[in-house]
Amino acid sequence: GNSVTQMEGPVTLSEEAFLTINCTYTATGYPSLFWYVQYPGEGLQLLLKATKADDKGSNKGFEATYRKETTSFHLEKGSVQVSDSAVYFCALPPRGGSNYKLTFGKGTLLTVNP
Amino acid sequence: GAGVSQTPSNKVTEKGKYVELRCDPISGHTALYWYRQSLGQGPEFLIYFQGTGAADDSGLPNDRFFAVRPEGSVSTLKIQRTERGDSAVYLCASSLTPSGGPDTQYFGPGTRLTVL
Repeated sequence: GNSVTQMEGPVTLSEEAFLTINCTYTATGYPSLFWYVQYPGEGLQLLLKATKADDKGSNKGFEATYRKETTSFHLEKGSVQVSDSAVYFCALPPRGGSNYKLTFGKGTLLTVNP
Repeated sequence: GAGVSQTPSNKVTEKGKYVELRCDPISGHTALYWYRQSLGQGPEFLIYFQGTGAADDSGLPNDRFFAVRPEGSVSTLKIQRTERGDSAVYLCASSLTPSGGPDTQYFGPGTRLTVL
């Protein structure tokens, strides 16, 4: 079935540093890909998505490009802020549809220090 | 407007006990989902409701787990004879669109269950 492998954390950066969180996927076909974020004490939120190969999803200064050649969907941000401290999850739907039923990576904890 | 709420936020119980976890979805959302997030893992799908009925319960790990949504709004996840391995954060999500894609799901903050 479809799966994601996500860079293990934790990741600790200083404010204004460049962020990359790696995510690679194994999938049949080209399913939509997602990044979710979980801020401390809050519910999981969709951060961005890409629905087809070569698409770039972006939101709140974060970007991720759906690269079929490398089966990757790495999350990047040029200049992180303390408020970006959270757990980030890469996700995709399972093989065969059921688009509501996501498969998540293990999550990467990001801490940004002032 | 109010988001998805879950109660209690934390629940500590003893092995073998019965627990109920509650989810209040966003008003008007017909679809409701439960996920389980074990320590160091991403959320795993448990069950999906469309209205009052369970449309997909393939993620429930065994028959100790059961969920209901009798009036198509609030849902309760019930766990019988709890085991230490049931310790996790239980997440609820709701969406307006029936079997909507994941980008339409709004998540609650979760209930942290600890089984001693």
